[in-house]
Amino acid sequence: DVKVTQSSRYLVKRTGEKVFLECVQDMDHENMFWYRQDPGLGLRLIYFSYDVKMKEKGDIPEGYSVSREKKERFSLILESASTNQTSMYLCASSPMREFSGNTIYFGEGSWLTVV
Amino acid sequence: DQQVKQNSPSLSVQEGRISILNCDYTNSMFDYFLWYKKYPAEGPTFLISISSIKDKNEDGRFTVFLNKSAKHLSLHIVPSQPGDSAVYFCAASAGYALNFGKGTSLLVTP
Repeated sequence: DVKVTQSSRYLVKRTGEKVFLECVQDMDHENMFWYRQDPGLGLRLIYFSYDVKMKEKGDIPEGYSVSREKKERFSLILESASTNQTSMYLCASSPMREFSGNTIYFGEGSWLTVV
Repeated sequence: DQQVKQNSPSLSVQEGRISILNCDYTNSMFDYFLWYKKYPAEGPTFLISISSIKDKNEDGRFTVFLNKSAKHLSLHIVPSQPGDSAVYFCAASAGYALNFGKGTSLLVTP
């Protein structure tokens, strides 16, 4: 069974804190993604990675960075959390050359509240 | 700028009837289109997809139609069931990542 695991489901952090959201996939996928979902705004792409140590900015990268040191792990980092980063964060993965919709897998999501 | 648009934030349908969810896109480079279903507090799950070389794809109660000239796709659910109540996201791809619409919240009433 395929699995994308996000380590923290619910987090509460203070403004200015450094926050790490971790994601692990067990499907040997090359591509990994971080999206955030906000009411009325849909899913917006923050960053993605198509290989170890490679990263590309998505639509809303400001205030975020990512790390991909191992193929199965993709971390999202909020260097200094702000209240407007309160959101649901979704990690996803897909294989490289066989991109098709039915092989995009999402994790369960991480609810981050910044107070 | 939103490249994938779902102009109806919500839709209510009676059980047993047809649900039609619409999606428009602006980028002519999109070559693959998908629908995802999302329940509260869960990640999106893949529902059905269609390649730009087709105009229809069917999977059980779900059918997706693509009109490339109009840059429009739609998802038909027949018959609708209460368990179909969820948020449905349209997505499109021209490469690695997916571009999502804002979602349509479907409520199927008994």
